[in-house]
Amino acid sequence: SQKIEQNSEALNIQEGKTATLTCNYTNYSPAYLQWYRQDPGRGPVFLLLIRENEKEKRKERLKVTFDTTLKQSLFHITASQPADSATYLCALGTGTASKLTFGTGTRLQVTL
Amino acid sequence: KAGVTQTPRYLIKTRGQQVTLSCSPISGHRSVSWYQQTPGQGLQFLFEYFSETQRNKGNFPGRFSGRQFSNSRSEMNVSTLELGDSALYLCASSPAGQDSGNTIYFGEGSWLTVV
Repeated sequence: SQKIEQNSEALNIQEGKTATLTCNYTNYSPAYLQWYRQDPGRGPVFLLLIRENEKEKRKERLKVTFDTTLKQSLFHITASQPADSATYLCALGTGTASKLTFGTGTRLQVTL
Repeated sequence: KAGVTQTPRYLIKTRGQQVTLSCSPISGHRSVSWYQQTPGQGLQFLFEYFSETQRNKGNFPGRFSGRQFSNSRSEMNVSTLELGDSALYLCASSPAGQDSGNTIYFGEGSWLTVV
């Protein structure tokens, strides 16, 4: 069966460092992968999308890589700030945009 | 531009009752999808509607149903509520079409507690 794993439930890092979150999948051939941020009690907010034929995408302090051979995506936040503390979700999609399969998320805590 | 609006935000129901949740997508968006989020199972896809037709369905029992109106607004209904239906129900809208990788925009969700 399809499975999406995000490396850890929680990740604690110091302000200014780079946070790296991992998303691994099995039994899946996604056409694209998305990353979302979710704050407690709020809906997820879209951050970045990367397609299967793309290796890397960047947006400001965010960078996503996608390796379809390893079946893995890495999500990096450089120069992390306490305001980056949230749960980050990866989601895989095939055809129709709205049918996404989500990972369970990684809770990132950035401390001073 | 207003975001995705979901009502009600919080509700408490008793086992066996039914509930209807409402979602107004972003203006111009024709696709509306619904997700259930629980601590144990995470975010799970319920169904998607496009132009008043159900286009995709997740693996949920028939007690979960939905519909979409001509103005793209959507409702989902859960009948014969069970304790395990307690969850955050999220609605998301996207512009249109089958083009892969459209961004979807989530609402703030409806928190349902079944007692």
